[in-house]
Amino acid sequence: KAGVTQTPRYLIKTRGQQVTLSCSPISGHRSVSWYQQTPGQGLQFLFEYFSETQRNKGNFPGRFSGRQFSNSRSEMNVSTLELGDSALYLCASSRTADGYTFGSGTRLTVV
Amino acid sequence: EDQVTQSPEALRLQEGESSSLNCSYTVSGLRGLFWYRQDPGKGPEFLFTLYSAGEEKEKERLKATLTKKESFLHITAPKPEDSATYLCAVVGYGGSQGNLIFGKGTKLSVKP
Repeated sequence: KAGVTQTPRYLIKTRGQQVTLSCSPISGHRSVSWYQQTPGQGLQFLFEYFSETQRNKGNFPGRFSGRQFSNSRSEMNVSTLELGDSALYLCASSRTADGYTFGSGTRLTVV
Repeated sequence: EDQVTQSPEALRLQEGESSSLNCSYTVSGLRGLFWYRQDPGKGPEFLFTLYSAGEEKEKERLKATLTKKESFLHITAPKPEDSATYLCAVVGYGGSQGNLIFGKGTKLSVKP
């Protein structure tokens, strides 16, 4: 069965630009969560969406936002990019709290 | 505040040399504890979910156990292909379903 698909895989942006990342969950999974992974901080929770509603949000500035569509696909947006936003952005989908399947991530580099 | 601490940060083993990785957690009501394996440049790959103290799960050379304060990932007779970063995460009843709290991981290297 198809896994979690994240696009694009790699992205290079300039400081001050904005970026949109996409995540298609496993069919039937209504929960989509986003995480930022950096060497120093590890995996940090950004936000979670369920049935098009944001259920929880991590401790990140308002430049980080997201949304979920009726087909459960989700996007996250980062505005006014900073060098420190360079990271691997991962999304995970789940149907219940029993298991979370991650995508391969989007590697964002801000120059 | 929910928290996960993994030790050691890095572990180097010879092929066949068994060992254990530790995950200590603090959570307000454990909904589930998860172990993942992550290879460089890839997303975490699900290994196990544990729900209550005393629970154990096995998969090939890996065995995960859970107590009220920590979890162990035992690796028996590891092979070079077991080299990866192993991540531990918890979900508490205080947070939402998708809010996994991760430890920093243990980077395992297995030499032939």
